[in-house]
Amino acid sequence: KNEVEQSPQNLTAQEGEFITINCSYSVGISALHWLQQHPGGGIVSLFMLSSGKKKHGRLIATINIQEKHSSLHITASHPRDSAVYICAVNFGNEKLTFGTGTRLTIIP
Amino acid sequence: NAGVTQTPKFQVLKTGQSMTLQCAQDMNHEYMSWYRQDPGMGLRLIHYSVGAGITDQGEVPNGYNVSRSTTEDFPLRLLSAAPSQTSVYFCASSSPFRGLETQYFGPGTRLLVL
Repeated sequence: KNEVEQSPQNLTAQEGEFITINCSYSVGISALHWLQQHPGGGIVSLFMLSSGKKKHGRLIATINIQEKHSSLHITASHPRDSAVYICAVNFGNEKLTFGTGTRLTIIP
Repeated sequence: NAGVTQTPKFQVLKTGQSMTLQCAQDMNHEYMSWYRQDPGMGLRLIHYSVGAGITDQGEVPNGYNVSRSTTEDFPLRLLSAAPSQTSVYFCASSSPFRGLETQYFGPGTRLLVL
């Protein structure tokens, strides 16, 4: 069965800390997506990657195809980063399989 | 561009009622999909479409119908609402046939079935 697992489920950190959220998947993929769901419910795509590393501002996403693992890092975290971060995977087709999300809370 | 739009934002139904959740996109995307989000679970695929006139079932299709008569619109129909269909529904679109691309999500529809 094609599965996506995220860790941790919940993460609370102080403002300024370096944040890492992990995503593991069961079989080979064609692409991996990191999404952010705001407290108001809207979902925004942060990254789509199939290899290597991508960076946007304070956000960095990496993927290791051999280990079937991806990480999302946030540098110099800020309370506005508080959200649910969701990993989703294309298992060889256009359909997405989602992880259950990591709820991040940044305390001022 | 408006992106992906969904209506209504919130709806209350009684068991057995039917309704249609609307989804539209103005980016000329071929691929559109409907998901439901329930507490403690990842988003789950209900139905999807790879182009006008083509639809297929996802992971949890029972109780829902879709059609895709145009590239822009992808409505989701609840035939006879049940309390188990209480959820938040998201529509999304992308253009995979031009290479794997970003997924665009609508704002969601919160549905309560009594």
